[in-house]
Amino acid sequence: RKEVEQDPGPFNVPEGATVAFNCTYSNSASQSFFWYRQDCRKEPKLLMSVYSSGNEDGRFTAQLNRASQYISLLIRDSKLSDSATYLCVVNGEADKIIFGKGTRLHILP
Amino acid sequence: DTEVTQTPKHLVMGMTNKKSLKCEQHMGHRAMYWYKQKAKKPPELMFVYSYEKLSINESVPSRFSPECPNSSLLNLHLHALQPEDSALYLCASSQSIGPAEAFFGQGTRLTVV
Repeated sequence: RKEVEQDPGPFNVPEGATVAFNCTYSNSASQSFFWYRQDCRKEPKLLMSVYSSGNEDGRFTAQLNRASQYISLLIRDSKLSDSATYLCVVNGEADKIIFGKGTRLHILP
Repeated sequence: DTEVTQTPKHLVMGMTNKKSLKCEQHMGHRAMYWYKQKAKKPPELMFVYSYEKLSINESVPSRFSPECPNSSLLNLHLHALQPEDSALYLCASSQSIGPAEAFFGQGTRLTVV
């Protein structure tokens, strides 16, 4: 099993819809989880940290399921500007930061 | 100031050249990272510095040589690179290794000819 796995997509979603991605991780000892957003030819930018209790920031909700070892990102009322690649990041062994391969999201007008 | 600054933004170098990539942050972060990213792939970790000491080297070829002159600066010295080393090189920093958000610079787009 890969350390961090994501569905690469692309997810083609109409504007205004709700979309959700999951990311599974293999190291049960992982303690920190993040979602990053990366636009084409740009650097990754932190979108949200994922806390045990889940967290919400506007239209974005992140959740952690330790039992099943996955994190999720929910985007409500999607905007055209949400089109990007969403990278799941987990701290792995020896505190390495491990990136998933990313999920590409296209919001359609 | 929540910026990580990388220079140069673009670099074209020949296989016999020696060049350096530079990274700077003034957030007081004690962990700094070099990542390599090829097109349509996630960033791949190369090196991690913690408190100015190299703590992780992901079996990177010796033609890449990192250096951390002080807590704010991170360099990547390049020598005798191959065309397949062409990629986006990203620097990142975080408060410490472990559970901490990492902030990325805009990257240096390197082309080896």
